[in-house]
Amino acid sequence: GQQVMQIPQYQHVQEGEDFTTYCNSSTTLSNIQWYKQRPGGHPVFLIQLVKSGEVKKQKRLTFQFGEAKKNSSLHITATQTTDVGTYFCARGSNYKLTFGKGTLLTVNP
Amino acid sequence: NAGVTQTPKFRILKIGQSMTLQCAQDMNHNYMYWYRQDPGMGLKLIYYSVGAGITDKGEVPNGYNVSRSTTEDFPLRLELAAPSQTSVYFCAIGGQGANEQFFGPGTRLTVL
Repeated sequence: GQQVMQIPQYQHVQEGEDFTTYCNSSTTLSNIQWYKQRPGGHPVFLIQLVKSGEVKKQKRLTFQFGEAKKNSSLHITATQTTDVGTYFCARGSNYKLTFGKGTLLTVNP
Repeated sequence: NAGVTQTPKFRILKIGQSMTLQCAQDMNHNYMYWYRQDPGMGLKLIYYSVGAGITDKGEVPNGYNVSRSTTEDFPLRLELAAPSQTSVYFCAIGGQGANEQFFGPGTRLTVL
């Protein structure tokens, strides 16, 4: 399958700092989804991006889809301890998802 | 409305044993999936189903089998457990007309 690369693999921040994770593909993405998985939990759907250059916001989270539809990012403003977890991007195709390896975010209170 | 349920939550198997991981949904979705997640890795698709009676292989199907006799249930069978199958297994369902997936709580399997 066609992979999506996610960076960084880990990120540790102080509470209140910002956080960004990036997702990259060598081929054009029809759509990109983002999921969050709390430690010991299951992945939970956050958002889907479909359009070139799309930007969506959910409170402190901002999701972007690149103009060429080959990359995406998730930015969290002023992190809180509740943001701890692993954030995955996933490319969607024919009702199947291919997941990146995720970025583990830890927040120091 | 429980969504997606998985049983058991935890299981330890000996090499060569077999078991079935159960997945059930009450949301009447056609699409169902099985993933495995190894530490520090993303989720890898094992098998999926687009409806009752229809299943297909994902990225890592070797050592597993599935069946889909009803819309609600999608069991995953391990015939000869191997240490490489130690993992967390997630079942997921796909929404009607959308690509987002809803995951069950997972089954943590250890093969010794």
